[in-house]
Amino acid sequence: AQSVSQHNHHVILSEAASLELGCNYSYGGTVNLFWYVQYPGQHLQLLLKYFSGDPLVKGIKGFEAEFIKSKFSFNLRKPSVQWSDTAEYFCASGDSSYKLIFGSGTRLLVRP
Amino acid sequence: EAGVVQSPRYKIIEKKQPVAFWCNPISGHNTLYWYRQNLGQGPELLIRYENEEAVDDSQLPKDRFSAERLKGVDSTLKIQPAELGDSAVYLCASSSDQGGEQYFGPGTRLTVT
Repeated sequence: AQSVSQHNHHVILSEAASLELGCNYSYGGTVNLFWYVQYPGQHLQLLLKYFSGDPLVKGIKGFEAEFIKSKFSFNLRKPSVQWSDTAEYFCASGDSSYKLIFGSGTRLLVRP
Repeated sequence: EAGVVQSPRYKIIEKKQPVAFWCNPISGHNTLYWYRQNLGQGPELLIRYENEEAVDDSQLPKDRFSAERLKGVDSTLKIQPAELGDSAVYLCASSSDQGGEQYFGPGTRLTVT
C-alpha cells in the first residue's frame, strides 16, 4: 500500500534560517506529489505540486521542492523562513486512482 | 470565488448519537472528497464522488458512516451511531476534475464524549 513518511514532526527555526522538510513516498509507479500547508486557524492549501517534467518545482511564497525518483523523496525547501511561515506542512502522494495519501505532517515554528 | 463551505465548524455530541456534516464544493467542481483527520495525523480519504456517483468508498466504515451527493453538488456525511473514536476533524475537498488540485474546506471538528 502507498505510504508517505515525513521525518520531522516538529521543527523550530529562527527567522532567516533555511528550511528543509523531508518527505518520502513508497509508491513505485507514476506518482503525483504535493505539499500542502495549514496556517493557524486556516484550512489546508496547496503550496506546490509535481506531476512530471522538471524535478525542481517552485511554489508559492518562495517554497520549492525537489523530486528525486531514486530516493523516493520530495523534500520541501525555503532558503530563508519568516515568522509568517509558522504552520503545519503536509506532504501527499497521488497515483492513477487519484487518491491522495498524506503524511502525518510537520509543525514548523519560526521564532522572530 | 467562494471556497469550499462546510458546516458546522464544531460539533460536540455524546456517544451513540447521530451526527451529520454538510459540504458545498466550489461551483463547477465535479469531484468531491470527504477526509477524516485524526489528531497528529494527516487527512485520510473516506469517500470520493464524481458528480453524484461514489467512485471510491473503500475507506468508509459502512456500518456506521454514510454519505450522499444526490444532485452532484453539495454533500452530507453522516455517522450513526457515533463512537468515541470518531472524534476528529472531517474535511471536505473538491476539484474540477479527477487528479486535479484539491481545494479544502475549513473542516468540522467533531468531539464525541
